[in-house]
Amino acid sequence: SAVISQKPSRDICQRGTSLTIQCQVDSQVTMMFWYRQQPGQSLTLIATANQGSEATYESGFVIDKFPISRPNLTFSTLTVSNMSPEDSSIYLCSVDHGTGPLEQYFGPGTRLTVT
Amino acid sequence: GQNIDQPTEMTATEGAIVQINCTYQTSGFNGLFWYQQHAGEAPTFLSYNVLDGLEEKGRFSSFLSRSKGYSYLLLKELQMKDSASYLCAVRTDYKLSFGAGTTVTVRA
Repeated sequence: SAVISQKPSRDICQRGTSLTIQCQVDSQVTMMFWYRQQPGQSLTLIATANQGSEATYESGFVIDKFPISRPNLTFSTLTVSNMSPEDSSIYLCSVDHGTGPLEQYFGPGTRLTVT
Repeated sequence: GQNIDQPTEMTATEGAIVQINCTYQTSGFNGLFWYQQHAGEAPTFLSYNVLDGLEEKGRFSSFLSRSKGYSYLLLKELQMKDSASYLCAVRTDYKLSFGAGTTVTVRA
C-alpha cells in the first residue's frame, strides 16, 4: 500500500482567503485524486490530477475555485480559493495503488474550518 | 452519474453478525469497493469485488451480483472496534463514486 501524508492536518481560515493543501506519496503514482467530505456526508470527488496535464474536474467543481498542481509523480496540491463557510469540510487526497484491483488509498485528510 | 444506496444506520451486539447492503445503478462498472471509516479518520480499504460471488477476508466478507446491481458487506464476530462508517463505492473507469455510508454501532 502507499503511504500518503497531507499538510496541514487542520486549519481555521477567514472568509475570502485561500488555503493550499499538500499531498505527498511515498511512491510514484500515475493518478492522484482530491475528495471533499462535508460534515456528516460521504466523499465527493473534486478532481483527478495527472502529472504533466491539467486536472480533470467533476461536475460542480471548477479550476478557479479549486486549482490543482501536480508537478511530479509523488506530490500534488489543492488550493481552496476565496473561501466561504460552505467550504468547511475535510479534504482528502487519494492514489491508485497501480497494481492488482486498483484500490484507492487515502491520506489522513485536512480538516478545514472557514469562519 | 452513479446512484448508490445503502442504509444509514445499523446497530448490532458484540459477537454478532451484521450485513450491510448496497445497491447501485451505474454505467461502465469496473468494480465495487468497501471502505471502513472511523470518526475523524480517513477511509481504509476493506474489500473489492469485480466478479460475481463472495470474497472472504478474515471476519469480513463481501458479495457482488452485477446483474442485480447489488453487493453486501458481512461483518462477523463483531467487536467494539468495528463501530464505524462503512462506505460502498463503485468504480467506473478510474473513478470511485461513494454511497452515503452506513454507520454501524456495536453494543456490548
